[in-house]
Amino acid sequence: SQQGEEDPQALSIQEGENATMNCSYKTSINNLQWYRQNSGRGLVHLILIRSNEREKHSGRLRVTLDTSKKSSSLLITASRAADTASYFCATDDAGGFKTIFGAGTRLFVKA
Amino acid sequence: ETGVTQSPTHLIKTRGQQVTLRCSSQSGHNTVSWYQQALGQGPQFIFQYYREEENGRGNFPPRFSGLQFPNYSSELNVNALELDDSALYLCASASGDRPYEQYFGPGTRLTVT
Repeated sequence: SQQGEEDPQALSIQEGENATMNCSYKTSINNLQWYRQNSGRGLVHLILIRSNEREKHSGRLRVTLDTSKKSSSLLITASRAADTASYFCATDDAGGFKTIFGAGTRLFVKA
Repeated sequence: ETGVTQSPTHLIKTRGQQVTLRCSSQSGHNTVSWYQQALGQGPQFIFQYYREEENGRGNFPPRFSGLQFPNYSSELNVNALELDDSALYLCASASGDRPYEQYFGPGTRLTVT
């Protein structure tokens, strides 16, 4: 079973708009990560946020974490066609060696 | 490009056969994890190796086995292939001091017929 659940499953927006994806998880975590995957290829690590952090920025990406609600959001500002991909949140398990991925949000950015 | 390579890119096998997938870690990384990703799903953790020892395992049967070599390259072996084993298999390497910052290879697409 997967720990994280992303919402929405799919999102279609116009270039220049912002895209927001949400992730919920079930158990306590040490950190949460977001990854991007293009067309069924390898995943690219985007950003890691630790359990004691509430917000983190990286370029056009903004990640928030609410450990009380066991949820996180990824905001991509001023989206581009090249942002079209699947986005996954991932959390560590209690033992810390296992990364558990959600089912992903498929983002389509139309030019 | 992450510096993690996998071979082969694609593979077609028959049910009941055995398969070996290979992964070359990024330089300086001593931890490797393997994942199975079914179509439309997120990656599922198979196991992790750290300095040639299995460090943890997900909910996969014993017919999924692995090896990590002294140069930190790795193999995933799957025996008695089943149709449901058809998936994208991803390996990811990381350094021991930053184990959550994983660098993924492009994957091997396995089709079992």
